[in-house]
Amino acid sequence: DQQVKQNSPSLSVQEGRISILNCDYTNSMFDYFLWYKKYPAEGPTFLISISSIKDKNEDGRFTVFLNKSAKHLSLHIVPSQPGDSAVYFCAASLYQGGKLIFGQGTELSVKP
Amino acid sequence: EPEVTQTPSHQVTQMGQEVILRCVPISNHLYFYWYRQILGQKVEFLVSFYNNEISEKSEIFDDQFSVERPDGSNFTLKIRSTKLEDSAMYFCASSGSGQGKYYEQYFGPGTRLTVT
Repeated sequence: DQQVKQNSPSLSVQEGRISILNCDYTNSMFDYFLWYKKYPAEGPTFLISISSIKDKNEDGRFTVFLNKSAKHLSLHIVPSQPGDSAVYFCAASLYQGGKLIFGQGTELSVKP
Repeated sequence: EPEVTQTPSHQVTQMGQEVILRCVPISNHLYFYWYRQILGQKVEFLVSFYNNEISEKSEIFDDQFSVERPDGSNFTLKIRSTKLEDSAMYFCASSGSGQGKYYEQYFGPGTRLTVT
């Protein structure tokens, strides 16, 4: 099931700079997209989401952008902090209450 | 802040044995899910549960698996006869409280299942 893809397995960023994590999807019927952060041996933690009818959603240092024509979404973290170092997953859902389909994850490392 | 809890944190079992993984979802949530993550792989969906019945299940969720909500707070995943390939982290999640919140799934810390 390759409907959601994160093509970069890792990303390294300097503290204070912008982190940009990318995600592509193939199913144009996805209704909602979400980003999760995961530390080793813990469950995914919900970060931010966006409805398919929007193109941007912002929450503090986190902004998610959705480009439906390109079937692409991205998560921007500004400014990046060492505590942001974790694996980030994008996920998509077809309908409310439906399953989440996850990407493979991108490991973000923010260096002091 | 309300959170999803799971027990046990780690379960070791022998092949062929039955295991029950337990979860307490967030109290006013309506949808409940089980996912798993095999080491080094994606988080993958197993089953969703709504209104006291399974609403969707994946190909992985065969006759060896079952879910139950035995009371108003617990949500369990049973594997009847475990196989080596069932070794994974199992995550419970819940969603559904207020306008637009039904998509946002909140995950528990996981149960690491090791089948020997």
